[in-house]
Amino acid sequence: NAGVTQTPKFQVLKTGQSMTLQCAQDMNHEYMSWYRQDPGMGLRLIHYSVGAGITDQGEVPNGYNVSRSTTEDFPLRLLSAAPSQTSVYFCASSYRTSGRLYNEQFFGPGTRLTVL
Amino acid sequence: SQQGEEDPQALSIQEGENATMNCSYKTSINNLQWYRQNSGRGLVHLILIRSNEREKHSGRLRVTLDTSKKSSSLLITASRAADTASYFCAPLIQGAQKLVFGQGTRLTINP
Repeated sequence: NAGVTQTPKFQVLKTGQSMTLQCAQDMNHEYMSWYRQDPGMGLRLIHYSVGAGITDQGEVPNGYNVSRSTTEDFPLRLLSAAPSQTSVYFCASSYRTSGRLYNEQFFGPGTRLTVL
Repeated sequence: SQQGEEDPQALSIQEGENATMNCSYKTSINNLQWYRQNSGRGLVHLILIRSNEREKHSGRLRVTLDTSKKSSSLLITASRAADTASYFCAPLIQGAQKLVFGQGTRLTINP
């Protein structure tokens, strides 16, 4: 299994440009999420999904859109990039073993985004 | 905020010593998870402790959970240089379907 993969690894955008960060997992996990991490900070949840067709907002959703058309993929779209979105973006996935309780999250390697 | 809050924010110890990091949270949880992040990399899951458990071990790691105090601790025994990393706790809040992380503890092991 490849686990959680993210593309691209690095990206430089100009203010106002749009782009999509890709995330895919091959573990058949129901749960997927996007976080951003700024220097010296923890992770802040952007959006998450508990299954195909279901998404919800996290702590910092403004400026980002997501969709979940398949179990495997969970792309994150930046609508109009701003310098404040310069960050490292991590995608993660998780699974349930009983009831509604989620277990550990598996993280991708991250995408380093710079907005000029 | 529903996230875990780690304490201390930074910890520097000598190789071979034990390192203890603490996590506090505010509401009832289903489980609490600890993760490690090496510089510039993704997070790696270390250990998960469920709300009905009080202590859990994994190799040199020992995690405790006190639901009455809404707190958890991570103990790393006989630290090594390779343990230098940031450590995060993430409580899974009851009724929630998302993990929210704190700012972490930056652990430095000095040779």
